[in-house]
Amino acid sequence: AQKITQTQPGMFVQEKEAVTLDCTYDTSDPSYGLFWYKQPSSGEMIFLIYQGSYDQQNATEGRYSLNFQKARKSANLVISASQLGDSAMYFCAMSLYNNNDMRFGAGTRLTVKP
Amino acid sequence: GAVVSQHPSRVICKSGTSVKIECRSLDFQATTMFWYRQFPKQSLMLMATSNEGSKATYEQGVEKDKFLINHASLTLSTLTVTSAHPEDSSFYICSALEARGKKEAFFGQGTRLTVV
Repeated sequence: AQKITQTQPGMFVQEKEAVTLDCTYDTSDPSYGLFWYKQPSSGEMIFLIYQGSYDQQNATEGRYSLNFQKARKSANLVISASQLGDSAMYFCAMSLYNNNDMRFGAGTRLTVKP
Repeated sequence: GAVVSQHPSRVICKSGTSVKIECRSLDFQATTMFWYRQFPKQSLMLMATSNEGSKATYEQGVEKDKFLINHASLTLSTLTVTSAHPEDSSFYICSALEARGKKEAFFGQGTRLTVV
C-alpha cells in the first residue's frame, strides 16, 4: 500500500506571509494522484488541490500551489499570503488509480499569527 | 463540487447498543464509498472500501463483524457500529467517488460518536 509522510506536526506563519507544508510519499505504482485537504476544527474535509502523477505542471488553485517533485517523491503545499482563516489541520493524501482508496498522512497543524 | 451528506453529525449511545451512520451522495452516483475513523489529533485511518452491490473490503485490523458496511444503492452507504464500547468513540467520516478513475473523493461532514 502507498505511504504518505508529513514530518511537521505543527507550523506557525505570520499573517500575509507564505508557508510550505511538507509531504513525501512512497509507492511503486506509476499512476497515482496526490491531494491536499484542510480540516478545520469543525471536522469537515475541505479539498484544496490535486496533482496527478502524469501532470507535467505543478497544480495551482488560487493561493494554493503544489510543488511536485516526482523524482524526490514529494508534494509540498505552498500557501501564499496566509490568512487567519487558514489556521487548521492540513492533510496530504494519495490515491492509486487502480484502486482509488485514499490514504492520508499524519497531518500538519498550521497556525497563522496576526 | 459534489455533495456528500453524512448523518447523524453527533450521536451518543449506551455501551452495548448499535449505531448506524448514513452516507449519501446527493447529486451524483457513488460507485465506491470509503469509511474512515479519526481519533483526536490524529489522521484519518481507512477502515473499509465499499462498492455498490458487493461486500465491503476491510483494512487489516478492522473487525468486519463489528463495523458492518452496506452499500445497497449508488447513493447510500451505511456503517453500523455493533455492540458499541467506549473505545469505539471516535470521529467517523465517509467519502464517495463518482466513478472509477475520478480524481477527487468528496467527503461527508463526519459523525462524532460517543459511547457511554
